[in-house]
Amino acid sequence: TQLLEQSPQFLSIQEGENLTVYCNSSSVFSSLQWYRQEPGEGPVLLVTVVTGGEVKKLKRLTFQFGDARKDSSLHITAAQPGDTGLYLCAGEETSGSRLTFGEGTQLTVNP
Amino acid sequence: DAGVTQSPTHLIKTRGQQVTLRCSPKSGHDTVSWYQQALGQGPQFIFQYYEEEERQRGNFPDRFSGHQFPNYSSELNVNALLLGDSALYLCASSLAASGYYEQYFGPGTRLTVT
Repeated sequence: TQLLEQSPQFLSIQEGENLTVYCNSSSVFSSLQWYRQEPGEGPVLLVTVVTGGEVKKLKRLTFQFGDARKDSSLHITAAQPGDTGLYLCAGEETSGSRLTFGEGTQLTVNP
Repeated sequence: DAGVTQSPTHLIKTRGQQVTLRCSPKSGHDTVSWYQQALGQGPQFIFQYYEEEERQRGNFPDRFSGHQFPNYSSELNVNALLLGDSALYLCASSLAASGYYEQYFGPGTRLTVT
């Protein structure tokens, strides 16, 4: 099983600040997905990155897949209280079809 | 377009009992994966079903078993429940032909073992 390390584990910032969440592995993934999860709910897919070096933007969120497809980052610009939640990265293993999740980053954006 | 649904929402069981959780995939999806999420942790892969067969399995004991029906819905069964089985159980569906496995999750079943 391939492993994903996600950092930081906890992040508490003020509204308007920028932040970056990192997801790292020593293994190569076929694709990498980012999810956001609210308490008591299932994870909601935000984006999938497939190609090494790929950058995708979703409003104030920017996702990047490393050139070697071993790492990824999520950058949020001008965070808002509505961005509060658990952010999870998940890599699709090269053996196919199963996802390996990081431990998650609990983001709190204070008004 | 119906999303992934799971039942029941919450469940309380006693050690040693057996439990069955149910999942209906997103419309058009044919693959169902099950995950266990302990409090404060990321989901852990249990197993995946495609064409009514278990295709992949994570590091979970044989007490965890599953089934997929012809309509693609799925069940997760856990026998001889332990306190450590208390967790949020998530079902995710995907389409095998999509090329990469974007998975869509249901709201989960919160299982408490006392």
